[in-house]
Order: sequence, then C-alpha cells, then structure tokens
Amino acid sequence: EIVLTQSPGTLSLSPGERATLSCRASQSISSSYLVWYQQKPGQAPRLLIYGTSSRATGIPDRFSGSGSGTDFTLTISRLEPEDFAVYYCQHYGSFLLTFGGGTKVEIK
Amino acid sequence: QVQLQESGPGLVKPSETLSLTCTVSGGSISNYYWSWVRQPPGKGLEWIGYIYYTGITNYNPSLKSRVTISLDTSNNQFSLRLTSVTAADTAVYYCAGRDEYFYYMDVWGKGTTVTVSS
Repeated sequence: EIVLTQSPGTLSLSPGERATLSCRASQSISSSYLVWYQQKPGQAPRLLIYGTSSRATGIPDRFSGSGSGTDFTLTISRLEPEDFAVYYCQHYGSFLLTFGGGTKVEIK
Repeated sequence: QVQLQESGPGLVKPSETLSLTCTVSGGSISNYYWSWVRQPPGKGLEWIGYIYYTGITNYNPSLKSRVTISLDTSNNQFSLRLTSVTAADTAVYYCAGRDEYFYYMDVWGKGTTVTVSS
C-alpha cells in the first residue's frame, strides 16, 4: 500500500510569495495517478491538478505541478489571498485511493 | 453539471450502523466511480471506498470489514453503511465522483457531519 507524506505540515507565507509543497510516495508511482486538491475551511476539496501537472478546469496558471517517481511538488508562483488553504495530494493505484496528510498554507 | 448531495442522520450511537445516501443530480450515475471520503475534526482526508456504476466495489483495507457501498440506479443514488461505529468514526462524510476514464475526483458533495455519541 502506497503511503503519501506531505511536507511541510504548515507553510507560513505572505501574499505574493512563492509556495512549494512536497508530496513523497513510499514507493515509485506513475505520474498519471498523482492528484492535488485544495480545501478551504468548511468546504469540500476542490480538484487542482491531475496527472501530476495538468490543471483542472478553471484553475489559474499560478498553480503548477511537477515530479516523478516518488517526489512530487505543487507550486503556487505568487500567493493570492484566496490561496491560503490546505492542500492534499492523492494517489490512485491497485484500485485504491490514498491521500497525503495535507499541507496548510497560512498567512504569515 | 453533476451535483452531489449527502443525506442521513447526524448522530449515531456507538456500536450502531452509520447510513448515508448521496443523490446524484444533473447527470447520470453511469460511467462514473462513486466514492465516500471522510474527514475527522481537524484532521485530513480518508478515502472509504468506491462503487462503479456496474456495482463493482473497492474499499479502504483499514475499513473493509465494516463498510458496504451500494447503488440505487433507479433513484440516481449511492449509499454508505458503516457498522459497529465508535467515536473515531465521527467525521464529515463526503461523497465524490470520478469519470471512469480518469483517476481524479472532480465532483464532490458539500459534506455531512456525523457524530458518534450516546
């Protein structure tokens, strides 16, 4: 069973800064099956990135994803006020879904 | 545009069975995998399981012995049953869907809070 470890647990940044979030898999995974979601308080998760680097419909281009093997990254190039939220990576494999523990991006 | 709405009791007693239903509107239940995901207070997301529109299911191994997900195609609904609940099952429960050709969940319900308490 794949385990996804996200780091850091919390990222304290100011609007306009760059955010780099990490998702590490316990073993090599296909980049096709790595997904990122954003969740704001009191809301359901929202799909951001699928297939490691493809933005979902309506997601601004300041969000980008990259990685391969066991190491994947979500980058927010310039934080907007609405980007402060919790971000989860998720993997699909062997008919099972796994979420990482999440990274909270908070206002510094 | 497909929309999902969870429904069910907000309070369940310990050792009893939690039952939730998700109603799919604005589209067909076909050609999708339908999942349940939960989130304990202040914690992260946990996938519970999914059902394909043909009835095929897969469950999180950690919950498999207590979970059943079923489909009611005539009413465009799918349901979750979780038996022998404890306080650890207190969470917001989300239903979500993914197209059969993709590996991401792109439609989510708003979530429903279930508290396990006597």
